[in-house]
Amino acid sequence: QSALTQPPSASGSPGQSVTISCTGTSSDVGGYTYVSWYQQHPGKAPKLMIYEVSKRPSGVPDRFSGSKSGNTASLTVSGLQAEDEADYYCSSYAGNNNFLVFGTGTKVTVL
Amino acid sequence: QLQLQESGPGLVKPSETLSLTCTVSGGSISSSTYYWGWIRQPPGKGLEWIGIIYYTETTYYNPSLKSRVTISVDTSKNQFSLKLNSVTAADTAVYYCARRRSGSYYENAFDIWGQGTMVTVSS
Repeated sequence: QSALTQPPSASGSPGQSVTISCTGTSSDVGGYTYVSWYQQHPGKAPKLMIYEVSKRPSGVPDRFSGSKSGNTASLTVSGLQAEDEADYYCSSYAGNNNFLVFGTGTKVTVL
Repeated sequence: QLQLQESGPGLVKPSETLSLTCTVSGGSISSSTYYWGWIRQPPGKGLEWIGIIYYTETTYYNPSLKSRVTISVDTSKNQFSLKLNSVTAADTAVYYCARRRSGSYYENAFDIWGQGTMVTVSS
């Protein structure tokens, strides 16, 4: 099972929006509504930001939103803040055999 | 408040077995809702799912690691454990334990994570 494809980097100025893509196949992202996104600051454990494509856990700001079209899921961070600078990983259910797969990760820089 | 804490040796020799334990506090590992999992992250690289376990000992493993991995649970100690045998330098990583957020079969999200523990494979 190959990792989901994310751009290595993305950036934006404070207050702007940045969108990160996560591309898979019809066997994972495209086949199910179980895509999640994690934020990871250096030296810290990942933090769940989005689950089931577009749902936010309690405590996650509504500046973070998720969507999916076909085999590609997206995470949008609106109103960028300095603390949003981190690595972001997507993940998808990947069927009975592979079960779960992570994305390659995207480093978001706040300019 | 539920917390997870990994423990185990930080250094393992090549060809030997890596053993880690995750202790769950502030809640019961025997909850009917949750699976419990292991995820790892090699230095400077991305996340890799290792496997998950239910308190009834039902397990699901990453196919790429399945031949070397065993995940077990000890409900009396509120712990679950990871064993990875025949390790090589490629198994050097930060190992995280985490709680899968719901009981849905298709659930892929982990909502509570341990702080992670670095394991180095070296002679």
